[in-house]
Amino acid sequence: ILNVEQSPQSLHVQEGDSTNFTCSFPSSNFYALHWYRWETAKSPEALFVMTLNGDEKKKGRISATLNTKEGYSYLYIKGSQPEDSATYLCAFLKNSGGYQKVTFGIGTKLQVIP
Amino acid sequence: DAMVIQNPRYQVTQFGKPVTLSCSQTLNHNVMYWYQQKSSQAPKLLFHYYDKDFNNEADTPDNFQSRRPNTSFCFLDIRSPGLGDAAMYLCATSRRLSIRADTQYFGPGTRLTVL
Repeated sequence: ILNVEQSPQSLHVQEGDSTNFTCSFPSSNFYALHWYRWETAKSPEALFVMTLNGDEKKKGRISATLNTKEGYSYLYIKGSQPEDSATYLCAFLKNSGGYQKVTFGIGTKLQVIP
Repeated sequence: DAMVIQNPRYQVTQFGKPVTLSCSQTLNHNVMYWYQQKSSQAPKLLFHYYDKDFNNEADTPDNFQSRRPNTSFCFLDIRSPGLGDAAMYLCATSRRLSIRADTQYFGPGTRLTVL
């Protein structure tokens, strides 16, 4: 069983505050890490695909970093807006005999208070 | 817009009464996945199809089956739903089997209630 942990499980921030949360994963057999945003009543939507140690990706006010040696990825949101309210899921991909095994974390539920 | 569609969005069934959940895609992707997400848990992969090749996860109960009659459609059949099968069921697709540098494309899910 792969342990992919996300923390915190939920948080509330005021509009305009910056925030960050963590995805921790096993550091062995790393293949890739994906971040998804899942708004209520909508489909989970891909944010970032991260494959190399030290990767930094950015999309607007949201950015992510990756450390495969120590097994974590951070997601940062700068100047949170109410529309950022969603559950943020990370998915760890492990190389398993020519096929990757995908293990999701439980998600971080973000509520941005206007 | 190309997308992944799941029907119905909400499904209520009775204990032991077979139920089928539907997923369709307009992306023409080769791979289709079914995930189960129980309350306060991470989404868990049940199985996937690569074209017509079916791959069952080792710990997926026999009660769960799947059909993919063509590229666009994939069905999840639960033969005898138990109370423990109440969950959100997510369908996803990907272009290729390897999604290292790609992502999965998800539908909005079907929330199953078992009475």
